[in-house]
Amino acid sequence: QKEVEQNSGPLSVPEGAIASLNCTYSDRGSQSFFWYRQYSGKSPELIMFIYSNGDKEDGRFTAQLNKASQYVSLLIRDSQPSDSATYLCAVTRRGSTLGRLYFGRGTQLTVWP
Amino acid sequence: DTAVSQTPKYLVTQMGNDKSIKCEQNLGHDTMYWYKQDSKKFLKIMFSYNNKELIINETVPNRFSPKSPDKAHLNLHINSLELGDSAVYFCASTASRGPPGNTIYFGEGSWLTVV
Repeated sequence: QKEVEQNSGPLSVPEGAIASLNCTYSDRGSQSFFWYRQYSGKSPELIMFIYSNGDKEDGRFTAQLNKASQYVSLLIRDSQPSDSATYLCAVTRRGSTLGRLYFGRGTQLTVWP
Repeated sequence: DTAVSQTPKYLVTQMGNDKSIKCEQNLGHDTMYWYKQDSKKFLKIMFSYNNKELIINETVPNRFSPKSPDKAHLNLHINSLELGDSAVYFCASTASRGPPGNTIYFGEGSWLTVV
């Protein structure tokens, strides 16, 4: 079983809609959860991180974590064409070496005008 | 100034050659990484150094040899390049203190193509 799984997409939503990106992880000892955005040909950039169960909001982005279900999601409200990118979910595990991130394969999001 | 800089950005080379990718960070971080991203966008850690000491060494062929001359630099040398080594190699860095992962900064990537 893969450490971190994401729907590869592509996910396509109209401008102004809510985009919902999902991620599941296999290790119940996972501690920290991250969403990176990667534009084509660019490096990953961190957009959200969450440690505790529940929701965390930052502008148009909301990360949701449910450790019992081993599930983390990212909601993007009022999606814009500039949000079109690949979104990578990453986790760290309890006891793992410093900064070791396990990445999913990413979900490609397209926001059409 | 770029926080994490890698050179070269693009590299096309023949099978069997030896090549190096250099990375430097000016963020004052003490931990640096090499990640590999394959053609399907899967990003996987290869190595990590903390204060010049190797702390992560994933299952990577020994043709890959990282070297950290100081905390701000982490280079990657690849011997006897193979077609399967074609990928994007990302350098990254973080500070060892603080919540894990939330300050990992990636370089712009080095696109390696082996022909």
